[in-house]
Formats: sequence, structure tokens, C-alpha cells
Amino acid sequence: GESVGLHLPTLSVQEGDNSIINCAYSNSASDYFIWYKQESGKGPQFIIDIRSNMDKRQGQRVTVLLNKTVKHLSLQIAATQPGDSAVYFCAENIGGGYQKVTFGTGTKLQVIP
Amino acid sequence: SQTIHQWPATLVQPVGSPLSLECTVEGTSNPNLYWYRQAAGRGLQLLFYSVGIGQISSEVPQNLSASRPQDRQFILSSKKLLLSDSGFYLCAWQGNGGYTFGSGTRLTVV
Repeated sequence: GESVGLHLPTLSVQEGDNSIINCAYSNSASDYFIWYKQESGKGPQFIIDIRSNMDKRQGQRVTVLLNKTVKHLSLQIAATQPGDSAVYFCAENIGGGYQKVTFGTGTKLQVIP
Repeated sequence: SQTIHQWPATLVQPVGSPLSLECTVEGTSNPNLYWYRQAAGRGLQLLFYSVGIGQISSEVPQNLSASRPQDRQFILSSKKLLLSDSGFYLCAWQGNGGYTFGSGTRLTVV
């Protein structure tokens, strides 16, 4: 669920290494999941999504893994670059349609050059 | 293609002054529209959402209000700003599951 009042957890990664950002969701009825990237001073931007009938989906340098058994979602970024430094939010939705999206806490990714 | 416009980008307002932030969407009709607030270093807090003209749902009690005078226009307002209203305000529209966000307005109440 949302934790809007908490400071964001931070993940520091060396440039070139792989990053793994984790997210736990609470609603077992959620069947559509999205990862967003928010750079400083900008609005969140869509990265990748996955539906509950899949457990893995790959994009360009990013992979999302879904474990419905433990209600866990992860975003893997390969060969992390300085431009990947941002806050990453997971989001869940029921039905993948016009329902409210629930956002996770967010994780701040810092890439060390 | 669909686009979302939000303005102004930054705003400094004195305590007690009114507020009006505007958001418009292009390239879609009857969108679900949302206002979020984000405190520095924090997550996203849903303030209001609207599924149609004149239809506003408030998520949290607060000093703000929202209106939807036209299908693709969503306005966030306040009659008298408080210091605690400072933050980063984001408008979003929902298409086919996910959200598209505006560029945000950084509001500082002094």
C-alpha cells in the first residue's frame, strides 16, 4: 500500500552493475502492475508493465518479475547508467482498466560513477 | 497522441493567498483525471480524481478543492493557502490501466 509520509529508501549502485528494485503489493486482486521512473523535478514516466498472467517481462535493459504467491514485484536494470538515477515507483491496478492505480512507497536509485 | 499539460511549473505564494493550478489533456476524450501531491523525498499522495465533468472524488480531507469544468480540464484550487500546502503537484490521466503524468508544479507557500 501507499506510504506517502515516509522518506524514500535509497539504493546505491556502481555504474555498470545491475540494479534490483523491489516492491511488495498488498491487494491480491491486483492483476496489472506498472513501474514508473521519476527524475528530479519531473513527473513520473512509464517504464514497463506486466499483467498477472505473466511472471516476467523484458524491455530495453529492464526486466520486471512478478511473484503473485508472495505479492512481490521487482524491477531489474542491467548495466546501470548515471541516467538511471531517479526515484522508481511500482503501481498496481485491478483489471488493467479504468480503476484507480495504487502506488508503492518508491525507491531512490543512486548510481555511483 | 495523447498529451497532458500542467502549469505553472513553479509557484511561490504567500500564506492565505488563493491557488489555481490547471491541467489539460489532449488527444483523448472522457479521461479519468487525477491530482497527486508529493512532499520532498516522499511518495505520491492522491488528492482528487474525476471520472467526468463535474464529478470529483476527494481522497483526503484538506485545504484544497478540485473542479472539472470541461471534459479535458482539471483544476486544483484553494481559497487560502497554508504552509503545509507546499509540495510538488502532479496531474495525471489514466489510459488503459496506467497513468500519464504532467510535468508537475512546484508550489512553495511562504
